[in-house]
Amino acid sequence: GEEVAQTPKHLVRGEGQKAKLYCAPIKGHSYVFWYQQVLKNEFKFLISFQNENVFDETGMPKERFSAKCLPNSPCSLEIQATKLEDSAVYFCASSQSEGEQFFGPGTRLTVL
Amino acid sequence: RKEVEQDPGPFNVPEGATVAFNCTYSNSASQSFFWYRQDCRKEPKLLMSVYSSGNEDGRFTAQLNRASQYISLLIRDSKLSDSATYLCGSGGGNYKLSFGAGTTVTVRA
Repeated sequence: GEEVAQTPKHLVRGEGQKAKLYCAPIKGHSYVFWYQQVLKNEFKFLISFQNENVFDETGMPKERFSAKCLPNSPCSLEIQATKLEDSAVYFCASSQSEGEQFFGPGTRLTVL
Repeated sequence: RKEVEQDPGPFNVPEGATVAFNCTYSNSASQSFFWYRQDCRKEPKLLMSVYSSGNEDGRFTAQLNRASQYISLLIRDSKLSDSATYLCGSGGGNYKLSFGAGTTVTVRA
């Protein structure tokens, strides 16, 4: 599509529950990025993919976070055993290469 | 030290005024720079890329100063619709962007 699509818009989970977020990049874009935005606009890079391959995962909390981009499927970000501090807006972005990234509308995760 | 730092503001300006603010970056190897605009925690929307020679898009002008490691954004003839948070993004290795915490601009009638 012409825009990055993310689902769901909002997600509420109890502590310890699993959360799964989805992202469909702009058609033709090879790179997908996941960012976490918490209070005060602080953005944190989590992980990026080049097509189905992990490109950079230096920002991922390895213990509970995982992500995939499989052919012909939306990319996903999964959080096992959510914690209160995981509450944030998770943005997905896509790009053709190094350069401008275009962001999806985000998924607001609330962990209670 | 954060990789990208911005003055959080807020910058409160009347309609028609000029407002300018900077963003500093610490990674001297950064190759690409961007200004994004974010409204009320919605998604960041690309405002403009920042080139070495500087660039202008209508009322918006962006400059890059590599020697002092900062980029700037200037908004001329401010409109009410320019009220937003402006995020500075710096591209380092592996294409990921590092963002500042944003500068809030409020344009009043």
